[in-house]
Amino acid sequence: EVQLVESGGGLVQPGGSLRLSCGVSGFTFSKYWMHWVRQAPGKGLMWVSDIHNDGKITSYAESVRGRFTISRDNGKEMLYLQMNSLRAEDTAVYYCVRDLGANVFDIWGQGTMVTVSS
Amino acid sequence: QSALTQPASVSGSPGQSITISCTGTSSDIGTYNFVSWYQQHPGNAPKLMIFEVSHRPSGVSDRFSGSKSGNTASLTISGLQAEDEAHYYCSSYTNVNTRVFGGGTKLTVL
Repeated sequence: EVQLVESGGGLVQPGGSLRLSCGVSGFTFSKYWMHWVRQAPGKGLMWVSDIHNDGKITSYAESVRGRFTISRDNGKEMLYLQMNSLRAEDTAVYYCVRDLGANVFDIWGQGTMVTVSS
Repeated sequence: QSALTQPASVSGSPGQSITISCTGTSSDIGTYNFVSWYQQHPGNAPKLMIFEVSHRPSGVSDRFSGSKSGNTASLTISGLQAEDEAHYYCSSYTNVNTRVFGGGTKLTVL
């Protein structure tokens, strides 16, 4: 079964850091672009970042650029999101998402909640 | 990159058809056919319903269809069913190699 499982969410103070992880199973991880998409409580979806299948190309939403870093380990079949200088507005459920190519988000994880609050 | 513009809500009766619009710019929808649509029920992760403007993934009902004209993409649901009640989001690739979502539309089946 194709599956994405996020972990690493939690409560963190403003200005703090958190590292999210996403483990995959059921498909060849190294063949796919991967993304992080977030959803603030009661709000819509917001694209955060993506990474090429070989890990060499990354992109970020303007609101997180310079604070967040996406990475992957194809050997361990893991996707990561290092989040620094966290702000209250980063509070959201963070989804790990597979991209078939051409902006086709076909598989989503169940999400991990990040709460930034003092 | 501003979010794509969707109506906040639409509604329809069972059996009717509804259309949800998604308006972008020449930097995204107007240039690329990389437009996709997602359905999200409360408490669940989004589900892919339409990709590349008008293609349906395997397993998605043919009651769902997509189209595009200029800077606006549209999702049409025909023969509305109670189970279609959900939030719907559009998404597009952009000319700065990012992705953007619409603000979301809540569909109510009356």
